[in-house]
Amino acid sequence: GAVVSQHPSRVICKSGTSVKIECRSLDFQATTMFWYRQFPKQSLMLMATSNEGSKATYEQGVEKDKFLINHASLTLSTLTVTSAHPEDSSFYICSARDLRSYYGYTFGSGTRLTVV
Amino acid sequence: AQSVTQPDIHITVSEGASLELRCNYSYGATPYLFWYVQSPGQGLQLLLKYFSGDTLVQGIKGFEAEFKRSQSSFNLRKPSVHWSDAAEYFCAVVPNSGNTPLVFGKGTRLSVIA
Repeated sequence: GAVVSQHPSRVICKSGTSVKIECRSLDFQATTMFWYRQFPKQSLMLMATSNEGSKATYEQGVEKDKFLINHASLTLSTLTVTSAHPEDSSFYICSARDLRSYYGYTFGSGTRLTVV
Repeated sequence: AQSVTQPDIHITVSEGASLELRCNYSYGATPYLFWYVQSPGQGLQLLLKYFSGDTLVQGIKGFEAEFKRSQSSFNLRKPSVHWSDAAEYFCAVVPNSGNTPLVFGKGTRLSVIA
């Protein structure tokens, strides 16, 4: 089945530094990946849609310069949280569509980011 | 705009009892419908999905869901709950066309007591 690998699973960083989160489709090609943010005890909020070879599409209210998304290949999308602050602490989850499985969406295991 | 409503924030059931989690959607046409489960600190696992055809869908872990067009609902059911079913459950929809992301409901937290 379709597998999406997300790393790291947990990261603690100092305020002002940048953190990169990787999302890889292991056994399928993903022309589109989605990045979500989840606050404790809340649902998933779509941050951006990542398209291979083109600029990401960000949801309203998401700072493009803070959350940099790169989708340079058909199997890898990265989310970089730049100049992180404590309010950026959250659970970030990526998702990719496996077109072999009609409308199949697979999720990574998530990244718990803590900014201190 | 399409939306998903999960009216129950938290449900507690006894182990062995039956379970029904409610989901209603708002969309002009019939979207594609999904149920996901999330354990604490984990990603999402697909339980089942509905695209078309038989309105009763069987999923993993003994779950099933029934699509009712007249009620715009896609409720999740399980005849006998196990303690390991305690988790957060999300209903999600996507339009039946285009390369678009899932839209999630707010989730229902399931607690299972002995």
